[in-house]
Amino acid sequence: GENVEQHPSTLSVQEGDSAVIKCTYSDSASNYFPWYKQELGKRPQLIIDIRSNVGEKKDQRIAVTLNKTAKHFSLHITETQPEDSAVYFCAAKEYGNKLVFGAGTILRVKS
Amino acid sequence: GAGVSQSPRYKVAKRGQDVALRCDPISGHVSLFWYQQALGQGPEFLTYFQNEAQLDKSGLPSDRFFAERPEGSVSTLKIQRTQQEDSAVYLCASSSTGAATEAFFGQGTRLTVV
Repeated sequence: GENVEQHPSTLSVQEGDSAVIKCTYSDSASNYFPWYKQELGKRPQLIIDIRSNVGEKKDQRIAVTLNKTAKHFSLHITETQPEDSAVYFCAAKEYGNKLVFGAGTILRVKS
Repeated sequence: GAGVSQSPRYKVAKRGQDVALRCDPISGHVSLFWYQQALGQGPEFLTYFQNEAQLDKSGLPSDRFFAERPEGSVSTLKIQRTQQEDSAVYLCASSSTGAATEAFFGQGTRLTVV
């Protein structure tokens, strides 16, 4: 089955700087890659996603890139703000309808 | 409704007790998923419904776990004879697509088994 690895496990950045979180997946048949943001005690919130027929997708300060050959995808947050502080999870949809999640990245934005 | 709703938000069960967790998906969403999230970990898949049909239950940890969605809307996850290792947050998600794409999560039920 699919295996998703996520790095780093924690990331501290200064307000205004960029943050990058990377994930690798194992199953070349996976075709959908969402990113979720989870604040303490709250629900995971879908912030951006990308499908395997696209290399990059951007939504305001957030972008996701996908390299199918290398089987990795990354989340880029520019001009970080304190409210970006949260746990971020990547996921890959393996064949069927199961999302396999990474272990999460704790992002701290210092003001 | 405005989003996926789960109840109760918190549940404390004595070891050996049976529990039932409820999920109200977004109205009209055909796909419904249950995930288990241990502290400090990512969600792990338990089971998937498309309408009332349970199409994948490969993630259920044991036969003590049972899920149903009899009318293709509300779903219940039941855990029989709870064990301490069942302590986790149980998340429900729904999607308007017939797939796991664009899935929206509820706030979860935090189950503590004592």
